Amino acid sequence: GAGVSQSPSNKVTEKGKDVELRCDPISGHTALYWYRQRLGQGLEFLIYFQGNSAPDKSGLPSDRFSAERTGESVSTLTIQRTQQEDSAVYLCASSLIAGSGNTIYFGEGSWLTVV
Amino acid sequence: GENVGLHLPTLSVQEGDNSIINCAYSNSASDYFIWYKQESGKGPQFIIDIRSNMDKRQGQRVTVLLNKTVKHLSLQIAATQPGDSAVYFCATSAYGNKLVFGAGTILRVKS
Repeated sequence: GAGVSQSPSNKVTEKGKDVELRCDPISGHTALYWYRQRLGQGLEFLIYFQGNSAPDKSGLPSDRFSAERTGESVSTLTIQRTQQEDSAVYLCASSLIAGSGNTIYFGEGSWLTVV
Repeated sequence: GENVGLHLPTLSVQEGDNSIINCAYSNSASDYFIWYKQESGKGPQFIIDIRSNMDKRQGQRVTVLLNKTVKHLSLQIAATQPGDSAVYFCATSAYGNKLVFGAGTILRVKS
């Protein structure tokens, strides 16, 4: 596609429920990133995928968070047993490859509210 | 750990004036630097980037300056317009690893 596409754009869920967020990267981009942004704050790295290499999961805040990516296509971020503190915008980004000088493009984000 | 921070959380400028947004980073291995603009309710939008082998790069109305000696990055916006009002983030990476973002600076343009 023309840009990074994320769905749903908005999600309200009850505390304790599981949620799945989807990201479609730009076609041909092998690197895919997930970030979290709480209201009024900066972007917090969660995880990134580069081709078939093992993903860098160093930013995942707890074992309730996981992400998958099949090949060089769609990725899903799953949050299990959601907590109110998980309320945030979850931003996906992609780049041609991971590496200096490769511009990273962001989607519009999935706004998650846990009530 | 790695840290990227901004000197001024909020910057107010008069329309037509030049804006300067500053950023300090701590990882001396950082070799790639990007500025993003984020408008309310939207994802970050790429503005300009610079690699560590450069100290200045210019775009349309924007200039990024890099001082590796003091680990400082700045974004200059010429003739600031109301449409420039947004949150601006600097981000760095080292050896092609994940981008680390600063906290952000709010730019408010007064007409």
